[in-house]
Amino acid sequence: DVKVTQSSRYLVKRTGEKVFLECVQDMDHENMFWYRQDPGLGLRLIYFSYDVKMKEKGDIPEGYSVSREKKERFSLILESASTNQTSMYLCASSPDRGYEQYFGPGTRLTVT
Amino acid sequence: AQKVTQAQTEISVVEKEDVTLDCVYETRDTTYYLFWYKQPPSGELVFLIRRNSFDEQNEISGRYSWNFQKSTSSFNFTITASQVVDSAVYFCALYRGSTLGRLYFGRGTQLTVWP
Repeated sequence: DVKVTQSSRYLVKRTGEKVFLECVQDMDHENMFWYRQDPGLGLRLIYFSYDVKMKEKGDIPEGYSVSREKKERFSLILESASTNQTSMYLCASSPDRGYEQYFGPGTRLTVT
Repeated sequence: AQKVTQAQTEISVVEKEDVTLDCVYETRDTTYYLFWYKQPPSGELVFLIRRNSFDEQNEISGRYSWNFQKSTSSFNFTITASQVVDSAVYFCALYRGSTLGRLYFGRGTQLTVWP
């Protein structure tokens, strides 16, 4: 069964902190994705990776970075958290281009 | 520019009514894929269907059906005899063959089914 896990379901951080969100998939998928979801805005792509150590910017990469050192793990980093990064963060993976993405349960991040 | 448009932000129906969720997409690629996802109140997105651009046959899965029309660039989703458990946010998404693998999501339609 397909499984994408995210390190935390809920997270509260202070402004200026460095924040790491971890995502792990156990399906040997090539592609991994980070989205944020905000009311009325749908899912917005932050970054994605199509191979180990490869990354591509999505639509809203500012204020974020990513790391993919191993195929199964894709980390999202908020270098200096700000209140406007309070959101739901969703990780997904897919086996190849054009295939469906499988989503994790999400991390609801609050920055105070 | 919006590549996937879901014009209906919210829809409310009463149980057993049929409901259609609209999705209009935009692409110049000849090869592309279209998707529908469901996000129930629990929050986790669930994949429902994937169709490629060369297959315009309608698809039916139980109470769910999908109508793909290239002439109008639409991929609409119909739930027949809706149930309370169908209440969720539904997202339509597009994969364009010329891109690396990302999907373009619409903003979603919140469906509420009342008992």
